Formats: sequence, C-alpha cells, structure tokens
Amino acid sequence: EADIYQTPRYLVIGTGKKITLECSQTMGHDKMYWYQQDPGMELHLIHYSYGVNSTEKGDLSSESTVSRIRTEHFPLTLESARPSHTSQYLCASSEPAGNTIYFGEGSWLTVV
Amino acid sequence: QQQVKQSPQSLIVQKGGISIINCAYENTAFDYFPWYQQFPGKGPALLIAIRPDVSEKKEGRFTISFNKSAKQFSLHIMDSQPGDSATYFCAARRLTGNQFYFGTGTSLTVIP
Repeated sequence: EADIYQTPRYLVIGTGKKITLECSQTMGHDKMYWYQQDPGMELHLIHYSYGVNSTEKGDLSSESTVSRIRTEHFPLTLESARPSHTSQYLCASSEPAGNTIYFGEGSWLTVV
Repeated sequence: QQQVKQSPQSLIVQKGGISIINCAYENTAFDYFPWYQQFPGKGPALLIAIRPDVSEKKEGRFTISFNKSAKQFSLHIMDSQPGDSATYFCAARRLTGNQFYFGTGTSLTVIP
C-alpha cells in the first residue's frame, strides 16, 4: 500500500475560482508527479519534480502550477478554474531511479 | 504523439477465460515495462513489470510476454475472475529522467 495522500478527493467549484489540490507522501521519495486523467482515457503527465525547489512541465500543457517547498508535499494550483479543467488529477511519487510509481487515489475536479 | 499504444480499449471475458491486452512502442530508449491495475475510485497500482532482456515474466495468474524485436508486449490474465475487473494500463519507462509513458488503458470486465 502506497503512502501517498491526496485531498480533496472530490471537488465541485465555480468558474473563476482558485483551487489547490494537495498531495503528500511519507516515503521520502524525491521525484513526484501530477497526471491528468479523463474517464476512460490515458494518463497525461502535466508536472513533475526531481526534488525540493525543482518543478518541470510534463508532456501535456496545463494552466495549473505546482510548487515543491518540502520533499513530502507537491500541491497543484489552478488560479482561475474553467470547465475545461474538469478531470481527475493523480499525484504520484517514485525514487529517483525507481522502477515503481506510486499513485494516490486521485482528486476529481468538476468546474461548473 | 502517443508513446505507447494499447489495445483493446475494452474487453469482456468469461470467468475462467484468458484476458489478453496488447501494447506497442517505438522508442528504443525504453528500458522498463510495467503494467498497472486501476479499480474505480482508486489510483493505478503496479501489477507486474518486465525488463526487455527477458521474454516472459509470470506472477501467479498474470504473465507479461515481451517481444523486443517487434517492440510489443502483452499482459495475459489466466483463469480470469470477476475480481480482476478493472482498467489496465501498460507503461514504458525512459531511463533518462526516469519518465513513464502510459497507454490509453483497457477496461476489463469478467462476467461470471
């Protein structure tokens, strides 16, 4: 069982609101990821981090931003949510050269 | 451009039957090929994985077959059970940067 936690699990917000999706892991992993997954679709990497103060954009362009001030914490922020941001966001972590990505249970975001 | 192509998109199998999911890739820089299992409302979890220097790996009822020359790999679930009903993702890792690329997923339903 992976020790990676995401909150909130489900969120419905109005257009234009600012939201932050929280992600924490207790495994001491340096590398963390955010994936976006629409129902029945593939996982798209939107952000990743090699460690504290490191953030990189993934393969899928996203209007969200991330920060990595502490090893265990990798929050994702949308400054002004839009209906097109409606999706599931999955946080994950791994050791730097680790073979396994550990996923959280996901945050379902609905923007109305 | 999709790095890993997965088929079929959905699969229905009778209990006790064999479920087969196929994936293909192009990038020869990939060095590790995991399969992830995702139940509704949960994040993906590592199921089984293989390195390209072996042609087959078996763990219980789950087997990966790997064809390096064809750049294809597949997941076989023997004696499929209703509890195996889930979405399965194949993935490939590029060692440089430890980046994982996921297939589009296969929704497996095992009917009693």
